[in-house]
Amino acid sequence: EIVLTQSPATLSLSPGERATLSCGASQSISNFLAWYQQEPGQAPTLVIYDASNRATGIPARFSGSGSGTDFTLTISSLEPEDFAVYYCQQRSTWPYTFGQGTKLEIK
Amino acid sequence: EVQLFESGGGLVQPGGSLRLSCAASGFTFGSFALNWVRQAPGKGLEWVSTISGSGGSTYYADSVKGRFTISRDNSKNTLFLQMNSLRAEDSAVYYCAKSGVTLFGVITFWGQGTTVTVSS
Repeated sequence: EIVLTQSPATLSLSPGERATLSCGASQSISNFLAWYQQEPGQAPTLVIYDASNRATGIPARFSGSGSGTDFTLTISSLEPEDFAVYYCQQRSTWPYTFGQGTKLEIK
Repeated sequence: EVQLFESGGGLVQPGGSLRLSCAASGFTFGSFALNWVRQAPGKGLEWVSTISGSGGSTYYADSVKGRFTISRDNSKNTLFLQMNSLRAEDSAVYYCAKSGVTLFGVITFWGQGTTVTVSS
């Protein structure tokens, strides 16, 4: 099973700041990595797929990068609605797995 | 508009069974792989099972293999998850989730979830 490790566990920033979230895979997953956002009490929503492709309706301030084992989700200038938990997920090999999540909180 | 509506959750004793359903609308049901993903209280996401559009291929997490069965009825636009031999660690919100048409393994839309509680 491929293990995804996200860092940091919690990221405290202010609106307008830049957020950088990391996801590391235990083995190469090419670019088969997605990022999801989950607000409290809500279902997740897709943000990025295949490492760098924004999902429909996702603002341009969200960007993804990486390949192989190291991936990054960047939010260029935080808006109040961006504060949530973010999960990475790989679809390279079954069983598909998620990272443990990064909580992005308001400082 | 895509809609996924889960039902069938509830309280069940350890060793018991439940059958979850997911009624879908707003897309060509048989063209898309569907998935169940769960989230234990206060925990992260766990991919449980996937079924191809035709229903001919199914996949299970090791934690549920041999106990859960995923199926679909393409004539009724409905996805199912039969859960047997339930354990306390199966307690979670279960999400029905749709993959992209060319993005097998990417969840492009999630239902709102149904809660399963396994407790005596």
